Amino acid sequence: DSGVTQTPKHLITATGQRVTLRCSPRSGDLSVYWYQQSLDQGLQFLIQYYNGEERAKGNILERFSAQQFPDLHSELNLSSLELGDSALYFCASSPTGTGERVALHFGNGTRLTVT
Amino acid sequence: GEDVEQSLFLSVREGDSSVINCTYTDSSSTYLYWYKQEPGAGLQLLTYIFSNMDMKQDQRLTVLLNKKDKHLSLRIADTQTGDSAIYFCAFSDQTGANNLFFGTGTRLTVIP
Repeated sequence: DSGVTQTPKHLITATGQRVTLRCSPRSGDLSVYWYQQSLDQGLQFLIQYYNGEERAKGNILERFSAQQFPDLHSELNLSSLELGDSALYFCASSPTGTGERVALHFGNGTRLTVT
Repeated sequence: GEDVEQSLFLSVREGDSSVINCTYTDSSSTYLYWYKQEPGAGLQLLTYIFSNMDMKQDQRLTVLLNKKDKHLSLRIADTQTGDSAIYFCAFSDQTGANNLFFGTGTRLTVIP
């Protein structure tokens, strides 16, 4: 058990809808990362937050947004969903936001299916 | 950004050694990582190597780094059925943030 909790485990929704994925980091970790894993794109970094502030941005679409709350949990909001957004969404956490050695701890993911 | 390639599939017999390879383009990452993803689970850090090392051994795992050829490999000795999983090499982002760039992943199947 990595200590990172993601909810829900599975989500099925229709095109055009909006969903929110939730992540609770490991106790003591200040940084949260979101990744998207799809068959054709592999594992893609979306966005990172550190102690409530956006730290780095990757291949995140404008329809997607995220935030990290004062209690350090994070939410990833996906809107105007398209079939191609169907994927596994992973959250990871680490103790710090910068540094030489990155030790990411991953949750088990949320599987999103857009129909 | 980093361009990282791995073979998609590898099959080995139980008890044999497995070698999973990874080639990359950007060599500025200070640490290079191997992650394992079991079915239905997230990624788990297996091992890592500092970029000024050529080799690191950790029980059944051996990591080899050839910086000249930009080639990273993971050798699993005495492969077991429980080693069946997807293996990802990963490199840290050079912007100063902590995020990692992952390879395409290699699905290892261990045949009993």
